[in-house]
Amino acid sequence: KAGVTQTPRYLIKTRGQQVTLSCSPISGHRSVSWYQQTPGQGLQFLFEYFSETQRNKGNFPGRFSGRQFSNSRSEMNVSTLELGDSALYLCASSLEGGLTGELFFGEGSRLTVL
Amino acid sequence: KQEVTQIPAALSVPEGENLVLNCSFTDSAIYNLQWFRQDPGKGLTSLLLIQSSQREQTSGRLNASLDKSSGRSTLYIAASQPGDSATYLCAVEGDQTGANNLFFGTGTRLTVIP
Repeated sequence: KAGVTQTPRYLIKTRGQQVTLSCSPISGHRSVSWYQQTPGQGLQFLFEYFSETQRNKGNFPGRFSGRQFSNSRSEMNVSTLELGDSALYLCASSLEGGLTGELFFGEGSRLTVL
Repeated sequence: KQEVTQIPAALSVPEGENLVLNCSFTDSAIYNLQWFRQDPGKGLTSLLLIQSSQREQTSGRLNASLDKSSGRSTLYIAASQPGDSATYLCAVEGDQTGANNLFFGTGTRLTVIP
């Protein structure tokens, strides 16, 4: 079955702009989580959505936001981009969410902020 | 806050060797621990998931153990192959930190030399 799909794969923005990234989970998975990966900070949890509700949030500023649609697809948005937002943004899906099981990751969206 | 450490940061071995990767975590109140591999520029692939009540999991040439009380996990790779070359990440999910809020180590970059 198809895996987690993230679009776009690569994008370049300038400081002050905003960006929207999209994630389609594995069919039947209802939980979607987002992570930021940078060389300096490694992988850090952004937020998790389940049934269109944000259930959990990491320690990121309010410029980072997300949402989930009724078909479980999710988007994340970063407003007023800063140079430090350059990173690989990874989306992961799981069947039910909660403290249950395996996360399946997409290939990521690589954002470069100039 | 949970801190996850992986040692060594990088490892080179000749093909065919057995090897062990180490992961330690500071807060033993975890729900599960997962091992992932990440190829350059790619997303994460789940290798093994160990629930906190389990001691080990095996998949093919991979065996992961968990000692929750001492805050340690090891990933054993038997008969290493060049295709095993990747960065290996361990991640723990706390039982108090909410759904899918995984804390990741910084990874071990493995190179298997033909």
